[in-house]
Amino acid sequence: QKEVEQDPGPLSVPEGAIVSLNCTYSNSAFQYFMWYRQYSRKGPELLMYTYSSGNKEDGRFTAQVDKSSKYISLFIRDSQPSDSATYLCAMIREYGNKLVFGAGTILRVKS
Amino acid sequence: GAGVSQSPRYKVAKRGQDVALRCDPISGHVSLFWYQQALGQGPEFLTYFQNEAQLDKSGLPSDRFFAERPEGSVSTLKIQRTQQEDSAVYLCASRKTLAGGTQETQYFGPGTRLLVL
Repeated sequence: QKEVEQDPGPLSVPEGAIVSLNCTYSNSAFQYFMWYRQYSRKGPELLMYTYSSGNKEDGRFTAQVDKSSKYISLFIRDSQPSDSATYLCAMIREYGNKLVFGAGTILRVKS
Repeated sequence: GAGVSQSPRYKVAKRGQDVALRCDPISGHVSLFWYQQALGQGPEFLTYFQNEAQLDKSGLPSDRFFAERPEGSVSTLKIQRTQQEDSAVYLCASRKTLAGGTQETQYFGPGTRLLVL
């Protein structure tokens, strides 16, 4: 079983919808949680970064971490066609160096 | 400023050939990472450098994989006697400082797409 599980999708939504993306993990040592966006044939780009449990909001994006359930989420409000990409969750231990990624969820926002 | 750059962007190799993939990190970044991303999967850690020192190579899949960063800036990932299962995107990332109480962002390059025939 992988350390980080993420539904690969694809997830297809109409423009303007609220999107919910999720990951579960098994290693309680993870302390930092990230969401990366990856467009086709590009490298991952950091979207959101959260330390330990809690919520963080940045524009249309909200990241939530529930360490007690080992569950993290990314919400995208008012989704746009330009949000169509693969969304990767990633996490890392305190003082760690190795990012551990989920498999990525393919998101398609239809206009 | 310039981000992480990688070359070549695409590489086709015949099985058994050796390949060398180059990474130019963001100037001044101390930490450098290599990841391998198979089709439809998330990136998987290969190795980590702090300046010129390779501190973690636990993710290298076999002794055919070798990485170096001799002057603490540019890094090269070399794969000897390539096999079809080596086909993947190889991503390089850099980070400004060492790992500490506050994790800093790893910035990724565009990757090198390797196809072994």
